[in-house]
Amino acid sequence: LAKTTQPISMDSYEGQEVNITCSHNNIATNDYITWYQQFPSQGPRFIIQGYKTKVTNEVASLFIPADRKSSTLSLPRVSLSDTAVYYCLVGDDTGGFKTIFGAGTRLFVKA
Amino acid sequence: DSGVTQTPKHLITATGQRVTLRCSPRSGDLSVYWYQQSLDQGLQFLIQYYNGEERAKGNILERFSAQQFPDLHSELNLSSLELGDSALYFCASSVGAGMETQYFGPGTRLLVL
Repeated sequence: LAKTTQPISMDSYEGQEVNITCSHNNIATNDYITWYQQFPSQGPRFIIQGYKTKVTNEVASLFIPADRKSSTLSLPRVSLSDTAVYYCLVGDDTGGFKTIFGAGTRLFVKA
Repeated sequence: DSGVTQTPKHLITATGQRVTLRCSPRSGDLSVYWYQQSLDQGLQFLIQYYNGEERAKGNILERFSAQQFPDLHSELNLSSLELGDSALYFCASSVGAGMETQYFGPGTRLLVL
């Protein structure tokens, strides 16, 4: 399972776009990149998943460069309710792997 | 609501005791995962079951064990409890055994006194 590195914390203001970058230098060919969001005392919630280029859904966008050694989660116009911990995971779908969430990035959105 | 249910929601017990946490996955999901999250800590993967079989093992202590039953619900058994076992225990489920989206339950908060 590829190791990931994310910033420990980030601050932002309401209405701004937030970009959280995750490094995964040893990503394998079959690996997907998945992001989860976790609020205090709640289980993580799936945000977005991608393999290459760009993926967008109603919540976020995920940008993956051609070498796939990093990825960026983009949250448009954040609000106070986006204050949470964001986790980047990398792994494939062949099964039998250990799901490693890491420390995540603690995003704090200020008014 | 993720569709994953966990019981009990809260559990208070004493050191040395044994407890059982229960998880019912989303309808149709074959995989169940267990995680431990201590205060201000990241999620620690404990174990995964897929269709009744153990699929992957993380940093699960020997005092802890789990199983997945034919109806796909799962139980996590914690024995000889220590103060340090106090944590939130999350169960998650997914359709398959790989990188599919995991849907997390609300967690069981365990307090060992």
